[in-house]
Amino acid sequence: SQQGEEDPQALSIQEGENATMNCSYKTSINNLQWYRQNSGRGLVHLILIRSNEREKHSGRLRVTLDTSKKSSSLLITASRAADTASYFCATGLYNFNKFYFGSGTKLNVKP
Amino acid sequence: ETGVTQTPRHLVMGMTNKKSLKCEQHLGHNAMYWYKQSAKKPLELMFVYNFKEQTENNSVPSRFSPECPNSSHLFLHLHTLQPEDSALYLCASSQDLDSGYEQYFGPGTRLTVT
Repeated sequence: SQQGEEDPQALSIQEGENATMNCSYKTSINNLQWYRQNSGRGLVHLILIRSNEREKHSGRLRVTLDTSKKSSSLLITASRAADTASYFCATGLYNFNKFYFGSGTKLNVKP
Repeated sequence: ETGVTQTPRHLVMGMTNKKSLKCEQHLGHNAMYWYKQSAKKPLELMFVYNFKEQTENNSVPSRFSPECPNSSHLFLHLHTLQPEDSALYLCASSQDLDSGYEQYFGPGTRLTVT
């Protein structure tokens, strides 16, 4: 399966700590995106990183991409209770007009 | 608000009912998508439309029937569903049919089949 697979499946941390989530995939990709989903709601796009990029930042988010290891990581620094949500990676394949989503990492940030 | 709305937000239907889910996007996007999200499973892409034309049917059973009358509206017609079809159904849109564009998701319809 091409689907991105997030790791860990669940993560519980204290407010103020950093949260790191990982995504692994199986075949070559054109880009990789991270999305966030609050319980029972739609997904919200966080950040896109292209296959020729290694690192990208957006506010408290830092995404890395290692195409040799076929993996990506999402780091949320100084987490807040409002960051509690599920986080998904979605891999975009070159010449394929669709994404493959994983099962997500469920992050719980305790106040 | 992402600019993508879905109605109804919750739906309970029996296996012999016929119902429809509606999605509308106010973003001027050309591509629209239906996804199924079941507990502890990856998000499943069901259908893809580009400029009102269906470009992808991901082996979805015929009891799910999509309709895209224009680039702004997408429907999912449901009939004779099974209990295992209970899930969150998400609609999304993107500027174009290219994985380099981010997708904007609606809030979803929570469907329960009894």
